[in-house]
Amino acid sequence: NAGVMQNPRHLVRRRGQEARLRCSPMKGHSHVYWYRQLPEEGLKFMVYLQKENIIDESGMPKERFSAEFPKEGPSILRIQQVVRGDSAAYFCASSPRLGAEDQETQYFGPGTRLLVL
Amino acid sequence: QQQVKQSPQSLIVQKGGISIINCAYENTAFDYFPWYQQFPGKGPALLIAIRPDVSEKKEGRFTISFNKSAKQFSLHIMDSQPGDSATYFCAASPWGGGADGLTFGKGTHLIIQP
Repeated sequence: NAGVMQNPRHLVRRRGQEARLRCSPMKGHSHVYWYRQLPEEGLKFMVYLQKENIIDESGMPKERFSAEFPKEGPSILRIQQVVRGDSAAYFCASSPRLGAEDQETQYFGPGTRLLVL
Repeated sequence: QQQVKQSPQSLIVQKGGISIINCAYENTAFDYFPWYQQFPGKGPALLIAIRPDVSEKKEGRFTISFNKSAKQFSLHIMDSQPGDSATYFCAASPWGGGADGLTFGKGTHLIIQP
């Protein structure tokens, strides 16, 4: 069973460009989470999605950031008009459906390292 | 989300020794407490997790101790090995019958000296 997949692993953007980060959850998982990790910091929750629904976006910046998890295909974290402060590692995690034995366990992907020049 | 405070920030332990990392939380709604291990350039990997209905959980060399009244929990790594050198994060989330975003501590850099 493949784990959580994220691509690209590294992304370089210039200020003002758009960054699109992709996450494919583990097979059978219907919950996706995005986290941001700054150097020497813990992970900060951004958004929690289920298929076609945003459940909790309390950690998302109000502007320039958006996330989706369509019925088909990976979850996308989109950052418009990137600034240098957006440089960070962005991790996606997935968890199984409610009622599964490990329903509260979040499995993390390898992350996307975004560098804004 | 309320804070989870983790200490120490860094820790050096001799091979074979016991590594102890502590966390404290404020939100009494937190009901699920996992520990994650992260190697450089990798994503966090679940190590062990505990719910407040037990005071201790052990898996191999890893033990979580939980003190609900003090709102504290800790990770103990027995017989620490150089391969345990990594960054460890405690986390917490509420448990309302659904899955929620995790609140993480800032991490502990653990170095096991051979």
